[in-house]
Amino acid sequence: DAGVIQSPRHEVTEMGQEVTLRCKPISGHNSLFWYRQTMMRGLELLIYFNNNVPIDDSGMPEDRFSAKMPNASFSTLKIQPSEPRDSAVYFCASRKQGGGGSSGEQYFGPGTRLTVT
Amino acid sequence: DAKTTQPTSMDCAEGRAANLPCNHSTISGNEYVYWYRQIHSQGPQYIIHGLKNNETNEMASLIITEDRKSSTLILPHATLRDTAVYYCIVRGPGNQFYFGTGTSLTVIP
Repeated sequence: DAGVIQSPRHEVTEMGQEVTLRCKPISGHNSLFWYRQTMMRGLELLIYFNNNVPIDDSGMPEDRFSAKMPNASFSTLKIQPSEPRDSAVYFCASRKQGGGGSSGEQYFGPGTRLTVT
Repeated sequence: DAKTTQPTSMDCAEGRAANLPCNHSTISGNEYVYWYRQIHSQGPQYIIHGLKNNETNEMASLIITEDRKSSTLILPHATLRDTAVYYCIVRGPGNQFYFGTGTSLTVIP
């Protein structure tokens, strides 16, 4: 099992540029999560999908952030335009949500380290 | 979801048991206790979870008090590779994880 795959692993861009982060969840998992981690705010949930449908995007900081999941094996998180305060590590996680019980644990990818100058 | 309280940092001697406490006094009946850890620069890693009973797997043991208001994660024989930030999370079925600040565990040679 390849685990959750994220690309790129590192991204350096200038303020105002568009940034697209990509995630491939574990095959068979039907929930996908995007998190952001900074020293100041820790690990924050941005948005999550169930069966490719966005369920809760209340953690998305601004309209500059958008996320899509066109199919079960791919998701993107886009920032347009990017700002220096968006610099963080962005994690994608997936989960196989079953019926009842604890609904399964989340498996995290290695993260994308974004630096906006 | 219930809020959790963890010590900011702890040390443990290599080879000894590491006992990491977590308070979740407002936990409700259907909320599970999850533990994750994050080794520097990596994504969080699932360790264990439980509802009422104590649980054990190849990584750790989880001890939940009878009133469920607190729990302890036990790493039976800590190694240097167990140095990480450990997060205690309480969530109900279908609800999502909200990570707090966690406990920074340092295993000392």
